[in-house]
Amino acid sequence: KQEVTQIPAALSVPEGENLVLNCSFTDSAIYNLQWFRQDPGKGLTSLLLIQSSQREQTSGRLNASLDKSSGRSTLYIAASQPGDSATYLCAVNEDFNKFYFGSGTKLNVKP
Amino acid sequence: GAGVSQSPRYKVAKRGQDVALRCDPISGHVSLFWYQQALGQGPEFLTYFQNEAQLDKSGLPSDRFFAERPEGSVSTLKIQRTQQEDSAVYLCASSSGTSNEQFFGPGTRLTVL
Repeated sequence: KQEVTQIPAALSVPEGENLVLNCSFTDSAIYNLQWFRQDPGKGLTSLLLIQSSQREQTSGRLNASLDKSSGRSTLYIAASQPGDSATYLCAVNEDFNKFYFGSGTKLNVKP
Repeated sequence: GAGVSQSPRYKVAKRGQDVALRCDPISGHVSLFWYQQALGQGPEFLTYFQNEAQLDKSGLPSDRFFAERPEGSVSTLKIQRTQQEDSAVYLCASSSGTSNEQFFGPGTRLTVL
């Protein structure tokens, strides 16, 4: 079974810092990988979807990279803001319709 | 609809009661997923539908859990004889089928006393 690990489990940074969240997975035979954010008491909001053939995707201040062979993805957040405070989850997709999630990184950006 | 909706948002059940959780996917989305999220954990896959067909139910934890999507749109997750360990947030997601990017609803928080 695919195992997805996210490090660190929690992160606190001052506003304006650039930061990197890490996601690793055990089986490199993936279809794609998706990054989400989850605000307390809310559902998941899709941030970026990277296909297995891609190396990275960018949306605004967010950049996600994928190294399938080594089983790693990173989410880079530039110039962090207090509104970025949330839990960030990565999900690995093996067969188009089955996703395995990590436990998330809880990010706190201090004003 | 504009997004995935779920109802109720909160449900408190006494141990042994049956519960039914509803999911309305994004209009036109053929794929629908149910997940269970325990506190402090990521969502765990329960089951998946393509239109009205339940193609994968490997994540359902026991035969007390049952899901249906009879007309290929709205889906219901039913839990019979609820146990305390069923307490969790139940998330529903849908995708168009051509892309598997998933869009999530707000979830139903189930508390079993």
